Amino acid sequence: GIQVEQSPPDLILQEGANSTLRCNFSDSVNNLQWFHQNPWGQLINLFYIPSGTKQNGRLSATTVATERYSLLYISSSQTTDSGVYFCAVEQAAGNKLTFGGGTRVLVKP
Amino acid sequence: GAVVSQHPSWVICKSGTSVKIECRSLDFQATTMFWYRQFPKQSLMLMATSNEGSKATYEQGVEKDKFLINHASLTLSTLTVTSAHPEDSSFYICSARRTGWDTEAFFGQGTRLTVV
Repeated sequence: GIQVEQSPPDLILQEGANSTLRCNFSDSVNNLQWFHQNPWGQLINLFYIPSGTKQNGRLSATTVATERYSLLYISSSQTTDSGVYFCAVEQAAGNKLTFGGGTRVLVKP
Repeated sequence: GAVVSQHPSWVICKSGTSVKIECRSLDFQATTMFWYRQFPKQSLMLMATSNEGSKATYEQGVEKDKFLINHASLTLSTLTVTSAHPEDSSFYICSARRTGWDTEAFFGQGTRLTVV
């Protein structure tokens, strides 16, 4: 099956710093999503981004499908950005999502 | 937006008993729902795909007789953990997509199961 690797596995940031999270995948995909898992376990949809670039406030994402990677940018980080960030890919429409291992982010005040 | 509601949020049960978890799509219809399991500090692993009106499809290594899935309507799927044991303690999360729309998946808030 498809392999999804996220880096770095852990990230400690000072409040106000910028960061980039990476997601590499081993095969072509039909869909890619980024999620933020909060301390209570809820997965929050950040981006649905099979290709191209999207921005939402301080967050933006870019997927280069031909090179099989996606990047999530966090700018001016805040303590509320702490949590685990997952990317997940889908190989065929309506099919299951395969998750990466996640990046655990801690933003210190 | 698309809202998926899961109930209960947490449950503690005795070893040997069964527990039912519900997953509802509140404002859309979902022909297919997915059940995931997450152990502490690990990623989400797909357990099974729930199909409305037909049998669920289980991932390799997941016991279908232990994790019973029923998808009786376009807005409700249930996961029943039968004869639960302490090793079944985990975080269970469901997801759904809007039938006929794009493939963006939305997730419930999860159910933390503790078997004592």
